[in-house]
Amino acid sequence: AQKVTQAQTEISVVEKEDVTLDCVYETRDTTYYLFWYKQPPSGELVFLIRRNSFDEQNEISGRYSWNFQKSTSSFNFTITASQVVDSAVYFCALSGPASNTGKLIFGQGTTLQVKP
Amino acid sequence: DTEVTQTPKHLVMGMTNKKSLKCEQHMGHRAMYWYKQKAKKPPELMFVYSYEKLSINESVPSRFSPECPNSSLLNLHLHALQPEDSALYLCASSQEGVRETQYFGPGTRLLVL
Repeated sequence: AQKVTQAQTEISVVEKEDVTLDCVYETRDTTYYLFWYKQPPSGELVFLIRRNSFDEQNEISGRYSWNFQKSTSSFNFTITASQVVDSAVYFCALSGPASNTGKLIFGQGTTLQVKP
Repeated sequence: DTEVTQTPKHLVMGMTNKKSLKCEQHMGHRAMYWYKQKAKKPPELMFVYSYEKLSINESVPSRFSPECPNSSLLNLHLHALQPEDSALYLCASSQEGVRETQYFGPGTRLLVL
């Protein structure tokens, strides 16, 4: 069975602090895809990144970076120098061949609050 | 353009009403999805349409009836809903296939009285 665990329910930081959101996944597939989405209070899920299981390179996009480690089945997300606009719920999700229609398995989400 | 639009943004309905939620995308995507999201929970998949055919129904009650009139449009018809159906309803679309990214619309906040 596929599963995604985001153990941090809520995180609160002060602006300009760095923060890491953890994501641990379980799957028996050898080919799978991992995603991060941001959901601000307005409700829309905003796509942040997709990573396939064969690409373990870390990725950086501005203040965002992602650390994918197959050995520990983790796909962690770091925000550097956090800003108030980063306040949102962040979801990690998993998709794989077992669900040919692209069904996403979501974690429970981590609520990030960035205080000024 | 990675935009999925949904109307209405907010909807209040009584338990005897019939209403519809609409979703539209112009990205040429061939898969479209309906999700239901309760507060402080992740989205739950309800339906998947692939090439305008219903491919997944996650055991959703029949008071929710999806429709895909064409490759760009997805509707969700609501009838005789219950108060516990109050939630954020999200539409998403993607190219077909497990590797493809799902792009979400802004959602419809539904309140059933």
